[in-house]
Parts: sequence; C-alpha cells; structure tokens
Amino acid sequence: AAGVIQSPRHLIKEKRETATLKCYPIPRHDTVYWYQQGPGQDPQFLISFYEKMQSDKGSIPDRFSAQQFSDYHSELNMSSLELGDSALYFCASSRRWEAETQYFGPGTRLLVL
Amino acid sequence: KQEVTQIPAALSVPEGENLVLNCSFTDSAIYNLQWFRQDPGKGLTSLLLIQSSQREQTSGRLNASLDKSSGRSTLYIAASQPGDSATYLCAVPEVDAGNMLTFGGGTRLMVKP
Repeated sequence: AAGVIQSPRHLIKEKRETATLKCYPIPRHDTVYWYQQGPGQDPQFLISFYEKMQSDKGSIPDRFSAQQFSDYHSELNMSSLELGDSALYFCASSRRWEAETQYFGPGTRLLVL
Repeated sequence: KQEVTQIPAALSVPEGENLVLNCSFTDSAIYNLQWFRQDPGKGLTSLLLIQSSQREQTSGRLNASLDKSSGRSTLYIAASQPGDSATYLCAVPEVDAGNMLTFGGGTRLMVKP
C-alpha cells in the first residue's frame, strides 16, 4: 500500500539559510499535518491543511510557512534557519472526517550548522 | 488543551515478559487514541487505533484498551521480544483543533535477550 512520502530524507543547512521540505500524502487523503520532533522530545504539531486550505496552526514559528497544492502535496518552507530548528520533521496524512488513523511519513532530518 | 502523560518513561524487561504501558489524557472528549512505535532516529509506525466507541483493539501480541471516562489507555505487549525494543508513544487528537495529535512523552522499552 502507498505510504506518505517525504523528501528529502536528510538535509544539512547553515544558519540563516532556507529549507523546503516536501510531503506527498497517501492517495485520497485530504488532510496533511506537519510535526516537529526535537532531540529527545515528542512530536509537536506545527500546522495542518484540509482540502488545500490551512486548517490549524500549532507552535509554528513565523519564519516557517507551508501550503498544500492542487495535487494535495504539501511543502514546509523554513527561512532564517536557526540551530534550534535542527529536528526530525514529520508529515502525516488522513481522511479527516472519518477520524481515521494519521499515517506518518519517514520524516526529514534537518541539521542546521 | 489536551495533556497526555505516559508512564513509565522507561522500562527494561527480560525477554518473554508480558508488560503494560500506560497513557493518560486530560480531556475525555476524544474521537480516538493511537499508539505508535518509534525506533531511534526513525519515523512513527502506527500500531493500533482505538475509536472512542471501542474498549479494546488487538493486533498480534499487542492489545490496547481505552477507558474514556477515566482518561486512560493501556498497551499490553505479550511475550516481549528484543525486537520490541523501541519508544512507544500514545497520541490523541485535539477535538476542537482539527484533529491535530497531542503526544505523550513516550515509554522507552528495552527488552533484554
């Protein structure tokens, strides 16, 4: 079965650079969620999209933005990167109104030097 | 805002033991509860999802129970194996916030051969 795809899997950036993370949800899933997991921490919700519209916002810094495109893939754009942005970034997808399982992608590991 | 707590934070058992991981949440108005497994530096694998109308869900050696009224869930692992060593996370969706997941801090399980 198709799973959530994230790219790239690993990313190394310098401070103050920008990064773009991509997420391709499971086919027919209408909702995408982004989570950030810092070292030794549990995942924290950043932002979600339902049917290409922003749905909810969590602890996402103003330096970050995201969108969902017509093909339902989503991108998380991160600017002015800081050392503290180093983390594992997960994308998850679901079919929202069926209260289904959120399926997580393998994550993108971002290291900011 | 939902708060999720898991105990114990870490657990080390010899192979073959049956064990119970605990998860508690503060807001009982949930649609479902998910249990995940995470290997070090890796993604989140969904193990079980219990709908709010269910009391138990089983998958192989795993059994998850849910008591909404008391805000508790347990994950029972039978006949533990070294391959079960991982961090186990429970998560509940924020009902009034687009079903974003709030995670517990996880239980780090080590099963010794």
